[in-house]
Amino acid sequence: GIQVEQSPPDLILQEGANSTLRCNFSDSVNNLQWFHQNPWGQLINLFYIPSGTKQNGRLSATTVATERYSLLYISSSQTTDSGVYFCAEKNSGGSNYKLTFGKGTLLTVNP
Amino acid sequence: DTEVTQTPKHLVMGMTNKKSLKCEQHMGHRAMYWYKQKAKKPPELMFVYSYEKLSINESVPSRFSPECPNSSLLNLHLHALQPEDSALYLCASSQVPGQGPYEQYFGPGTRLTVT
Repeated sequence: GIQVEQSPPDLILQEGANSTLRCNFSDSVNNLQWFHQNPWGQLINLFYIPSGTKQNGRLSATTVATERYSLLYISSSQTTDSGVYFCAEKNSGGSNYKLTFGKGTLLTVNP
Repeated sequence: DTEVTQTPKHLVMGMTNKKSLKCEQHMGHRAMYWYKQKAKKPPELMFVYSYEKLSINESVPSRFSPECPNSSLLNLHLHALQPEDSALYLCASSQVPGQGPYEQYFGPGTRLTVT
């Protein structure tokens, strides 16, 4: 199945700073999702972005499918942005329902 | 409505108990999922239901028994669990692949502790 590599694994920011998270994929990108898992465990959908660029408030994401990577930008970070950020892509092989997740980026935003 | 609900939020059970986790979605999705997540790890797929039929079982031990009573509900029956089964259990739903954008939506999870 597809391999998903996320970087950085950990990131500590001061409130107000900007950051970029990255996912690299070993296979074609067709159904990429970005999630934020808050400290209570809820996985929140941030973006469904198989290609192109999307923006939602202070967050934006860009997927370059031809080069098999995606970036998540967080601007003017707030303490509520803390948590784990996952990217995930659907397997194109036999298990068509299966999402493969990256290992996540643990973001800590300090006041 | 893009909401998946799960009950209970927390569950503590002994190794001889029988309990059930419940999940509900009203997004018209016909694929539903159970995931298990351990601390500092990504979610791991356990089961997939498609059109209320079990489609994928990721070699999950038989002490976990899924059930899909209708297109909106998904249960996970637990029996004779081990302490290592303590984890966050997440339910998700999506359109069936090929029926539209394949985007999974997750519930808030049940945090299970087995004593």
